[in-house]
Amino acid sequence: QKEVEQDPGPLSVPEGAIVSLNCTYSNSAFQYFMWYRQYSRKGPELLMYTYSSGNKEDGRFTAQVDKSSKYISLFIRDSQPSDSATYLCAMSLAGGTSYGKLTFGQGTILTVHP
Amino acid sequence: NAGVTQTPKFRVLKTGQSMTLLCAQDMNHEYMYWYRQDPGMGLRLIHYSVGEGTTAKGEVPDGYNVSRLKKQNFLLGLESAAPSQTSVYFCASSPMGNGYTFGSGTRLTVV
Repeated sequence: QKEVEQDPGPLSVPEGAIVSLNCTYSNSAFQYFMWYRQYSRKGPELLMYTYSSGNKEDGRFTAQVDKSSKYISLFIRDSQPSDSATYLCAMSLAGGTSYGKLTFGQGTILTVHP
Repeated sequence: NAGVTQTPKFRVLKTGQSMTLLCAQDMNHEYMYWYRQDPGMGLRLIHYSVGEGTTAKGEVPDGYNVSRLKKQNFLLGLESAAPSQTSVYFCASSPMGNGYTFGSGTRLTVV
């Protein structure tokens, strides 16, 4: 069993839809949770960053962390064709000895069609 | 533009050949990482460095070596390439962990 599980999709939605992307994890020691967006043939770019449980909103994007359920989500409101990409969840342990090493999900391929 | 630069962008190797991938960052970041990305496997950590002159093994280090002689550079070496090392390789850097900046990747094919 992988430490971080993410449904690879693909997920196809019409423009303007609300998108929900999810990851589950098994290591209860994870404290930092991130979402990366990766366009085709590009490197991942950091989209959202949260510490511990709770919600964080940034424009059309909302990240949720539920540590009790070991479940994180990314919501995209009013989705646009430019949101078409692969979305990767990532997480890491707290503390200096983790050295920021991230454990990634497999990524979900999202297509938003006009 | 500030960021992480990887060279080369593409490479085809024959089994048994060696090569070095170069990663350079101009953000004065302490931490640097090498990941490989394979379909269905996500990104897996190969090696990482927490400062100039330091290196450490990640999740999948076998068949790779690294060096960090200068703070801004992190080299990934393949001594004897194997078809199983066909992948897309990403370098990343961060000031003290977590907030990664990735390079654009190196697509390596081993035939």
